[in-house]
Amino acid sequence: SQTIHQWPATLVQPVGSPLSLECTVEGTSNPNLYWYRQAAGRGLQLLFYSVGIGQISSEVPQNLSASRPQDRQFILSSKKLLLSDSGFYLCAWSGGLNYGYTFGSGTRLTVV
Amino acid sequence: KNEVEQSPQNLTAQEGEFITINCSYSVGISALHWLQQHPGGGIVSLFMLSSGKKKHGRLIATINIQEKHSSLHITASHPRDSAVYICAVLSQAGTALIFGKGTTLSVSS
Repeated sequence: SQTIHQWPATLVQPVGSPLSLECTVEGTSNPNLYWYRQAAGRGLQLLFYSVGIGQISSEVPQNLSASRPQDRQFILSSKKLLLSDSGFYLCAWSGGLNYGYTFGSGTRLTVV
Repeated sequence: KNEVEQSPQNLTAQEGEFITINCSYSVGISALHWLQQHPGGGIVSLFMLSSGKKKHGRLIATINIQEKHSSLHITASHPRDSAVYICAVLSQAGTALIFGKGTTLSVSS
């Protein structure tokens, strides 16, 4: 069966520090992968999606970047965190446009 | 105006009540999802539908494509149903979900 792993679960980082959140999927190949952010009091917002290795599309200009070095690995990064980067980050995968979505357990990031 | 609007924003109920959460959207879609987010933050997919009605246990989801509206119903609600329920749509032109802001449901015993 397919599973999705996301870590860490919580993270407190100082302003200006780097960030690396990792998401891996098991039990499937060539998944569509997504990074979403949920800021306090707001809905989920798509940050990045990837349909294949090295293919990254960005939906919102921001202080973050994403990479997909392997088929089932999706990484969210920042060189220098801002206070406004605080939020709940979710990774998700889908088999395609007409398939369901499976979400990771999320990372709660607090930038101090 | 958000492309996906949910109502109500907050909902409180007594155990056993019938619950309805509504979702309206303004774009043409290929699918609509109902998701459940528990206090810890994890999200579980409840339904994906593009027409008609689906039922799973005490949960029922309906969609009216012409009216661009979907509803999630919970029969015989229970405190363990307390969570945030999120509607999300996949637009016909899009490659990723567009989310509503969620409905916070609290069921007391």
